[in-house]
Amino acid sequence: QAVVTQEPSVIVSPGGTVTLTCGSSTGAVTSSHWPYWFQQKPGQAPRTLIYDTSNKHSWTPARFSGSLLGGKAALTLSGAQPEDEAEYYCFLSYSGARGVFGTGTKVTVL
Amino acid sequence: QLQLQESGPGLVKPSETLSLTCTVSGDSISSSSSYWGWIRQPPGMGLEWIGSIFKSGSTFHNPSLKSRVTISVDTSKNQFSLNLSSVTAADTAMYYCAGHRGPTGPDSWGQGTLVTVSS
Repeated sequence: QAVVTQEPSVIVSPGGTVTLTCGSSTGAVTSSHWPYWFQQKPGQAPRTLIYDTSNKHSWTPARFSGSLLGGKAALTLSGAQPEDEAEYYCFLSYSGARGVFGTGTKVTVL
Repeated sequence: QLQLQESGPGLVKPSETLSLTCTVSGDSISSSSSYWGWIRQPPGMGLEWIGSIFKSGSTFHNPSLKSRVTISVDTSKNQFSLNLSSVTAADTAMYYCAGHRGPTGPDSWGQGTLVTVSS
């Protein structure tokens, strides 16, 4: 089974920009992995921010964007707010409609 | 607006079967492109995809859980269910049900239900 790797933690200044990445042990991440991004705050269920690489749900703040970058999926937060402090997970789909979550990135706004 | 709610026992004995149900509201479980899935999260750890089911009954499972997982749909009740057999303490986790737009990631999440495996 594939391993999906994310940065363990990042720190971003209020109003700053940070990019999280999501890599696959099987090789380059492409749009055919249908990358998803989720935000999870302590004690809460995850919330889906990005689907299919770069699409946003109606509830996704405009400051979040998704892309492919250097063979990985990427989530960019532009203009970080204190309420963005959370754990962020990616998800990749593999053949046979099977999925794997990333290891998660803890984002601190400081 | 799609809403999902998990229900089931919060305590299961080792070697027994964990059974959870997810009740869907705000949409028909038989709607055209809907997949339904289960995800879990052990305390203090990351998310793990368990599996998903299409309205037709086609299912997709995490290979690491092998044949212990059964996911089914009850269209008459607008519910879908998870059975996980031969549980051990390693199966202690928050279990989430989710709605998918297709055979990819989860888009809508339930609140989660904590299941502890202990004698």
